[in-house]
Amino acid sequence: EAQVTQNPRYLITVTGKKLTVTCSQNMNHEYMSWYRQDPGLGLRQIYYSMNVEVTDKGDVPEGYKVSRKEKRNFPLILESPSPNQTSLYFCASSLSRGETQYFGPGTRLLVL
Amino acid sequence: GNSVTQMEGPVTLSEEAFLTINCTYTATGYPSLFWYVQYPGEGLQLLLKATKADDKGSNKGFEATYRKETTSFHLEKGSVQVSDSAVYFCALRWANQAGTALIFGKGTTLSVSS
Repeated sequence: EAQVTQNPRYLITVTGKKLTVTCSQNMNHEYMSWYRQDPGLGLRQIYYSMNVEVTDKGDVPEGYKVSRKEKRNFPLILESPSPNQTSLYFCASSLSRGETQYFGPGTRLLVL
Repeated sequence: GNSVTQMEGPVTLSEEAFLTINCTYTATGYPSLFWYVQYPGEGLQLLLKATKADDKGSNKGFEATYRKETTSFHLEKGSVQVSDSAVYFCALRWANQAGTALIFGKGTTLSVSS
């Protein structure tokens, strides 16, 4: 089944404790992206990747890092999480940047 | 700049009622327009799309027509069901020489009761 998977689905952590949210797609998509969803603000793009080893900042990249060492994986790294990063995070992928994006199920993060 | 504006929610309807969720956009050039749906506890799914003026996208009884003259892409359904309860996002895909971007509206929550 073609899908985008994220792990974990739910995470509670404390300020400053590094964490990684994994994202994996099995559709051989070149383009992958991370979004955060917050009430009243909709979806905002954090980072995106056009292909392996090619990443770039989205609209709200501060406090986040990403890597794209393999085509199927695009982890989101929070080196030192803060409470304002409490949010619902979505990973998405598409064949290329202009194509329809397929979204993962979301990761709900709470930073205390 | 490019942007998408959706009507504020929540929208609360009874089963079989008519649904309209308004969406207007601001963009340079000729964007493609999308509606995504997010069911409770799930990620976003593409509901329908339209790539040029006067195109009508349709899926699962939902429709939206790309109106360039009014810069709108309103979502409609003639008879909603309880299972349609979800958050609906209007989005535009905008391209220029630098690349493309997908811009989302803030989402409209629909709640349908039986």
